[in-house]
Amino acid sequence: NAGVTQTPKFRVLKTGQSMTLLCAQDMNHEYMYWYRQDPGMGLRLIHYSVGEGTTAKGEVPDGYNVSRLKKQNFLLGLESAAPSQTSVYFCASKAGGFADTQYFGPGTRLTVL
Amino acid sequence: GQQLNQSPQSMFIQEGEDVSMNCTSSSIFNTWLWYKQDPGEGPVLLIALYKAGELTSNGRLTAQFGITRKDSFLNISASIPSDVGIYFCAGQLFSGGSNYKLTFGKGTLLTVNP
Repeated sequence: NAGVTQTPKFRVLKTGQSMTLLCAQDMNHEYMYWYRQDPGMGLRLIHYSVGEGTTAKGEVPDGYNVSRLKKQNFLLGLESAAPSQTSVYFCASKAGGFADTQYFGPGTRLTVL
Repeated sequence: GQQLNQSPQSMFIQEGEDVSMNCTSSSIFNTWLWYKQDPGEGPVLLIALYKAGELTSNGRLTAQFGITRKDSFLNISASIPSDVGIYFCAGQLFSGGSNYKLTFGKGTLLTVNP
């Protein structure tokens, strides 16, 4: 039982390049989330999904797209990376009950030059 | 949107001392959560609070859900070096349907001097 895994762990991009971050969970959770963490800013929600085939915008969605084609996977895409997207990205998942809490992956450190 | 004010931003203490940090919000939450993040890792849940006034302990950690539902505190007693890390508070507001989103504080960086 791996919990929440993220691929890759590190990535360096040039401005304008595209990439996809993969989040996978093996807990059969309904909800999945993508956050970014910047120094002194805490974690901010980018996009989230309440089930397979659904996505919704969070607090800071601009410049990102997501897809949830399979229940266990949640992909975060950057179509044209910008230096402002340099950050640490965390994925989280959660079961469907009110008392269930979010479990986080280990993070992906992305640098955009 | 909702905002959480977490304080202090950082703390530098001696091993064995007690620690207290808190979060306040401009609006109410249904749930308060406290997470710890070690360097290079994702946040890990420490304590979850589901009811106004609730006081919950987890080993040396104690947290309370404020009676107004707009604040929470976390205490760590007899700190040890492995308590080092960033502590985040998070509030969850269940707004009906299937909408569970967390709002995070900016974190408290704890350093423990052996």
